[in-house]
Amino acid sequence: DAKTTQPPSMDCAEGRAANLPCNHSTISGNEYVYWYRQIHSQGPQYIIHGLKNNETNEMASLIITEDRKSSTLILPHATLRDTAVYYCIVRPNNYGQNFVFGPGTRLSVLP
Amino acid sequence: DAMVIQNPRYQVTQFGKPVTLSCSQTLNHNVMYWYQQKSSQAPKLLFHYYDKDFNNEADTPDNFQSRRPNTSFCFLDIRSPGLGDAAMYLCATSRLTGVSYEQYFGPGTRLTVT
Repeated sequence: DAKTTQPPSMDCAEGRAANLPCNHSTISGNEYVYWYRQIHSQGPQYIIHGLKNNETNEMASLIITEDRKSSTLILPHATLRDTAVYYCIVRPNNYGQNFVFGPGTRLSVLP
Repeated sequence: DAMVIQNPRYQVTQFGKPVTLSCSQTLNHNVMYWYQQKSSQAPKLLFHYYDKDFNNEADTPDNFQSRRPNTSFCFLDIRSPGLGDAAMYLCATSRLTGVSYEQYFGPGTRLTVT
């Protein structure tokens, strides 16, 4: 079973920041938080991952709470092409532990 | 530029007729995965290869088999497709680095069973 809880859907206005929350209250000390997204009819795409520090790359920022029980993925300036299902996944960063996808959040970016 | 390639993108097969889906990668990653994704559901892992070491998920039906003849290629064989096997099949790869294990996914093959 997925170890994360996400809202099933969210809307965001084009050009505004999209903040996607994820709860992972049972996360273990060696588990990382990964974010993927899946645009309709495409394979999932890696976005970002982190352990406890906030992370930023060219796609997004990941904010992890100090107790690591929740995190937020931030798309700073959402575009229509960011409309997708966003998956938050926790897993240890070692071989043998596989990704378990939950239902994710369907983000709709509105013009 | 394509890194994980799946062929064909769309496959139609008849009930009970064996079908093979293929995946190739240009990343030289040592781990390759097959996922099944049914309509409006999240991807579900079927099995994966670490090099030539095959690892089956406990709930993957025996009807699904896989082959990995070399690093670049991996095949998914469905021996006797049923209507319930209609889905998107996703191939993914990852590299064991000891630091991160992000997976790179192909575009998927959508299988229709008639």
